[in-house]
Amino acid sequence: EPEVTQTPSHQVTQMGQEVILRCVPISNHLYFYWYRQILGQKVEFLVSFYNNEISEKSEIFDDQFSVERPDGSNFTLKIRSTKLEDSAMYFCASRRWGTGYISGANVLTFGAGSRLTVL
Amino acid sequence: AQKITQTQPGMFVQEKEAVTLDCTYDTSDQSYGLFWYKQPSSGEMIFLIYQGSYDEQNATEGRYSLNFQKARKSANLVISASQLGDSAMYFCAMREGTGANSKLTFGKGITLSVRP
Repeated sequence: EPEVTQTPSHQVTQMGQEVILRCVPISNHLYFYWYRQILGQKVEFLVSFYNNEISEKSEIFDDQFSVERPDGSNFTLKIRSTKLEDSAMYFCASRRWGTGYISGANVLTFGAGSRLTVL
Repeated sequence: AQKITQTQPGMFVQEKEAVTLDCTYDTSDQSYGLFWYKQPSSGEMIFLIYQGSYDEQNATEGRYSLNFQKARKSANLVISASQLGDSAMYFCAMREGTGANSKLTFGKGITLSVRP
């Protein structure tokens, strides 16, 4: 079964360092997302991406964050200067095209997550 | 206001019994989708079941069924014949809108523990 692949699975970094989290979405999917989950808390939306541009971002997604799809397969999340409060699990998700509510087109498939620890 | 509300404290169920996990939602949209995801201790998010707002039948996927009560804005997950591997965190989520500007909004989750 096709899956969303995320690397690294765990990264430890020093405060102030840049971090890039990588994702390979499912190949025929067109909508891409980043979510984060601070330990023990709910999953929060960061950003959605479609047609090579950001379609929506949350207030969490400030100037320190950026996303890119450089080569048509990878989808990256960059945190420019990490803060302690950026420590979380970061999930990439993708969804294939579709209008209305045809079941399969609406399901977000998540990757296994990248755990970021900022010291 | 919370869009997705999951208020149950940690839930316990005996193996092989059924359990219901509650979820209420709030939206003014006519078209929306409701999802349940499972998050085991390993951390990944596993899709379980989906219900569209226009679906007249309650969704079912194997041992999972969704008790959808539109007028009450509830979308409870029913797990039949619980297994030890069902022990996990369960998240209810809602998708509003269509196309590029739609996203999932998650509830806080419910921890389910299955006792042998």
